[in-house]
Amino acid sequence: DTAVSQTPKYLVTQMGNDKSIKCEQNLGHDTMYWYKQDSKKFLKIMFSYNNKELIINETVPNRFSPKSPDKAHLNLHINSLELGDSAVYFCASSQFDEQYFGPGTRLTVT
Amino acid sequence: GQNIDQPTEMTATEGAIVQINCTYQTSGFNGLFWYQQHAGEAPTFLSYNVLDGLEEKGRFSSFLSRSKGYSYLLLKELQMKDSASYLCAVRDSNYQLIWGAGTKLIIKP
Repeated sequence: DTAVSQTPKYLVTQMGNDKSIKCEQNLGHDTMYWYKQDSKKFLKIMFSYNNKELIINETVPNRFSPKSPDKAHLNLHINSLELGDSAVYFCASSQFDEQYFGPGTRLTVT
Repeated sequence: GQNIDQPTEMTATEGAIVQINCTYQTSGFNGLFWYQQHAGEAPTFLSYNVLDGLEEKGRFSSFLSRSKGYSYLLLKELQMKDSASYLCAVRDSNYQLIWGAGTKLIIKP
């Protein structure tokens, strides 16, 4: 049973396109996150949602928008993709301390 | 500003012991975490320290000194599968997780 799942695993697209990445968790956790990990392997928090309310919104471009239809899902929509958006995007969830990560989505913008 | 420092890369021998250090400067402290990340995979939780002292979990132990802003992860009886990046993260006063850049550990036979 997959705890945190993401789709797609790989995404190759051209500059200027709009794309979405989906995330689902079946752990019953209240908080979900989106992280970006660039080529230097540095994990950067982008957003987190607690009970469908945004509680952290780091200084990311407004081309990125999180959408949470319910507590188990947190999708990431990206408009007007740029070369610098190429990275691995991880979804995660937590209830108290430990965060559970999804397998990641490798986004390549050409 | 908030800062987490850990060595970029370390090399150790199979069967040996290695200590990965992490120092932090954050606005408040609500716990320190260690995660393991194999190449091409997601980070997985290893340990959590909120009080000073040593937490032991099998071959892995994690130590915390809040007064010194310092933690280490100790790996014993190293195995080849321990080759991975080890990420230190601190939860600040806003309960936001601040991540270090990770230490790439290379295990040699």
